[in-house]
Amino acid sequence: DTEVTQTPKHLVMGMTNKKSLKCEQHMGHRAMYWYKQKAKKPPELMFVYSYEKLSINESVPSRFSPECPNSSLLNLHLHALQPEDSALYLCASSQGARLAGPNYEQYFGPGTRLTVT
Amino acid sequence: AQSVAQPEDQVNVAEGNPLTVKCTYSVSGNPYLFWYVQYPNRGLQFLLKYITGDNLVKGSYGFEAEFNKSQTSFHLKKPSALVSDSALYFCAVRGTSGGSYIPTFGRGTSLIVHP
Repeated sequence: DTEVTQTPKHLVMGMTNKKSLKCEQHMGHRAMYWYKQKAKKPPELMFVYSYEKLSINESVPSRFSPECPNSSLLNLHLHALQPEDSALYLCASSQGARLAGPNYEQYFGPGTRLTVT
Repeated sequence: AQSVAQPEDQVNVAEGNPLTVKCTYSVSGNPYLFWYVQYPNRGLQFLLKYITGDNLVKGSYGFEAEFNKSQTSFHLKKPSALVSDSALYFCAVRGTSGGSYIPTFGRGTSLIVHP
């Protein structure tokens, strides 16, 4: 099984709402990532989890809060977002991160299309 | 700091003709190079990678890529393009020093294959 699943596929939320994005993989990967992608642009790294611990936060605003409950699950909690946060949010996983991991490819989920009104 | 350049925003090719999507890179230490494809409203999909060994790497859907160390390039190729190959293609590099293990993506090249 080489699939990364993400829910929901689409999400529309107001600027005062609280919502969560979910990501799941069952490939035994120990590195998981959140990316933000605008149309026809490369994905922008937001967070990296390695062995269920947050290892990288790319200076992401605190209105985005990641969580890794276990090795298969990754959540992104959203609160008080701005319209400019509207984008495709991609989750990815890879077999390794850090020094043990650069030769491993990433597997991406289909993304959550987020619209902030 | 590592970087990836995809010099073409868009590549147009007729179906049945060979295609090339260009990528050059800069990284400290040994490069690990990847190509991903993204179809509309989908996530990125891994095509192929260069780690070490043969400079010509074969991947999914008939794609291949040639690693050229002296030119720091990793161009994606396919001998005969299909209309279904039309998509957005990203080159990525990962390194082995400091924080360079985090992938750096190129800006993407939109491939359009005309019937």
